[in-house]
Amino acid sequence: DAGVIQSPRHEVTEMGQEVTLRCKPISGHNSLFWYRQTMMRGLELLIYFNNNVPIDDSGMPEDRFSAKMPNASFSTLKIQPSEPRDSAVYFCASSIGLASTGELFFGEGSRLTVL
Amino acid sequence: KNEVEQSPQNLTAQEGEFITINCSYSVGISALHWLQQHPGGGIVSLFMLSSGKKKHGRLIATINIQEKHSSLHITASHPRDSAVYICASRGGAGSYQLTFGKGTKLSVIP
Repeated sequence: DAGVIQSPRHEVTEMGQEVTLRCKPISGHNSLFWYRQTMMRGLELLIYFNNNVPIDDSGMPEDRFSAKMPNASFSTLKIQPSEPRDSAVYFCASSIGLASTGELFFGEGSRLTVL
Repeated sequence: KNEVEQSPQNLTAQEGEFITINCSYSVGISALHWLQQHPGGGIVSLFMLSSGKKKHGRLIATINIQEKHSSLHITASHPRDSAVYICASRGGAGSYQLTFGKGTKLSVIP
């Protein structure tokens, strides 16, 4: 299996631009998570999907952030408009079965720099 | 609110040494994860455990539920083990929330 696939690996953009990060979970996994990692705050959960339905988006920092999961094999995290403080590494992770019992598999991350 | 503390924050070891990284948490949990992150790299899940001990190659993870403490051991350390090791606790049954420690940066010198 190819694992969790994220794109792009690196993104450099200017403040105000729209950013779209993509994730393909492992086939058969029905739980998907988006995390953000910064030096100051470490890893933070942004949003959790189960069976393509957003279960918890309380970690999404502002209305500028949105996430979708149109089908079981694809999810996007969008930031519009982007700001320098959004610079971070964004990780997608998936697990099989109930999120509370399944081991998490992380993607390689998308490193975002907003100038 | 659960808090996860790791120690040490930084660790430098000579190749071949036995390494221990500690993780303490403050409330009851359903599982404890150990993650590995190489510089500039992705995150790899090493272990998920809820009791006892697990072993994978040179890595051993233990958990003491009563003491709310877990350890990650690396035997015969190697420079390729150099990475940040993160422990994360999962809340009670049915919880999907992970509380992450700040990580332990390990450097193994040849």
